[in-house]
Amino acid sequence: NAGVTQTPKFRILKIGQSMTLQCTQDMNHNYMYWYRQDPGMGLKLIYYSVGAGITDKGEVPNGYNVSRSTTEDFPLRLELAAPSQTSVYFCASRQGQVGTGELFFGEGSRLTVL
Amino acid sequence: AQSVTQPDIHITVSEGASLELRCNYSYGATPYLFWYVQSPGQGLQLLLKYFSGDTLVQGIKGFEAEFKRSQSSFNLRKPSVHWSDAAEYFCAVGAGTGTASKLTFGTGTRLQVTL
Repeated sequence: NAGVTQTPKFRILKIGQSMTLQCTQDMNHNYMYWYRQDPGMGLKLIYYSVGAGITDKGEVPNGYNVSRSTTEDFPLRLELAAPSQTSVYFCASRQGQVGTGELFFGEGSRLTVL
Repeated sequence: AQSVTQPDIHITVSEGASLELRCNYSYGATPYLFWYVQSPGQGLQLLLKYFSGDTLVQGIKGFEAEFKRSQSSFNLRKPSVHWSDAAEYFCAVGAGTGTASKLTFGTGTRLQVTL
């Protein structure tokens, strides 16, 4: 069972560069989420999607973009990377809305912006 | 909007001792409540959840939690801690339907276990 797969696991970017964090799930889940985790801050929601073609902003969307062209994939795009985007990023998925089951997490992508 | 408070940033217990991690939530109705555990370098794993019914819920790895509506709390407990329980623990509250359906996480409690 692959579950939720994130790539890359580690990446160092220079200020102003762009990159895409990939997330794919093989559980046919409709709901997918991107969180960032900073020390002492818990997890903050960046963007989420309730199905292919539908995305919405979370608490901290600035500097990021997402797309959801398929059920399986939910890439997170960082444009013009800034040091404030240094963080650990987690992708997660669930079959339906809260209360319908477990939220499954990927293993995370650690991003450093220098 | 919902919110979660985990008042303890760091807790140290001896192996074999009992454990209680505190969680308080804010939400206008009965929320969905969760506890997750994160080992170093790993993603989050669900320990247990409360949706409705019995207010004492059992989870994996010998953990349990009790929902107390009057105190807006969902504290996590374990009778006897093992060294392998050292990790970070997150409480989360879930609410909303459709496109508003999401989890809000607390800031986490780091558990250290001494031998």
